[in-house]
Amino acid sequence: DGGITQSPKYLFRKEGQNVTLSCEQNLNHDAMYWYRQDPGQGLRLIYYSQIVNDFQKGDIAEGYSVSREKKESFPLTVTSAQKNPTAFYLCASTWGRDSPLHFGNGTRLTVT
Amino acid sequence: KQEVTQIPAALSVPEGENLVLNCSFTDSAIYNLQWFRQDPGKGLTSLLLIQSSQREQTSGRLNASLDKSSGRSTLYIAASQPGDSATYLCAVKEGSSNTGKLIFGQGTTLQVKP
Repeated sequence: DGGITQSPKYLFRKEGQNVTLSCEQNLNHDAMYWYRQDPGQGLRLIYYSQIVNDFQKGDIAEGYSVSREKKESFPLTVTSAQKNPTAFYLCASTWGRDSPLHFGNGTRLTVT
Repeated sequence: KQEVTQIPAALSVPEGENLVLNCSFTDSAIYNLQWFRQDPGKGLTSLLLIQSSQREQTSGRLNASLDKSSGRSTLYIAASQPGDSATYLCAVKEGSSNTGKLIFGQGTTLQVKP
């Protein structure tokens, strides 16, 4: 079955460490997105990529980095510069502008 | 700046009741609007997508309507079941955007009691 796989489901890190969240899709979608979800704040866009080797900052990109070397993969690195990294991170993808957004099952990151 | 609001934040109904979830947006220049369902600790599942030229979309017991001029959308759930219990989010894609970026509401958490 086609879909978006995020791993791991839970991630624990010490403050000051960088951590990379994986997102892989086999839907052959061109566009991929990273959102962050915090209680009471809805989803906020971190980064997005509309094509391989190209990506753009979203609304809250500070302290994060991404790469898009393959169409199927869009990993997100949470750096030590991110002040409040503890959150639920969601990866999504879509065919294009007229198509629905599909989401993975998320990674819950806890930094202590 | 586009803002999306969902009221109420939480809703509890008895099984079998028909119900309406509300979504409002401040800028009517949207490209489309999408309704999602989110179960606790999970990702979002797309329910319905309404293009700006459409007035409604239906899938099974779900019907979503769109009134761009008033900046409103509703999600109607017929004959609710306990399995419908989840958080429902709406999101708009702005008409001027080529990025595919969605702007989300904060969601309505629905509980359907047996």
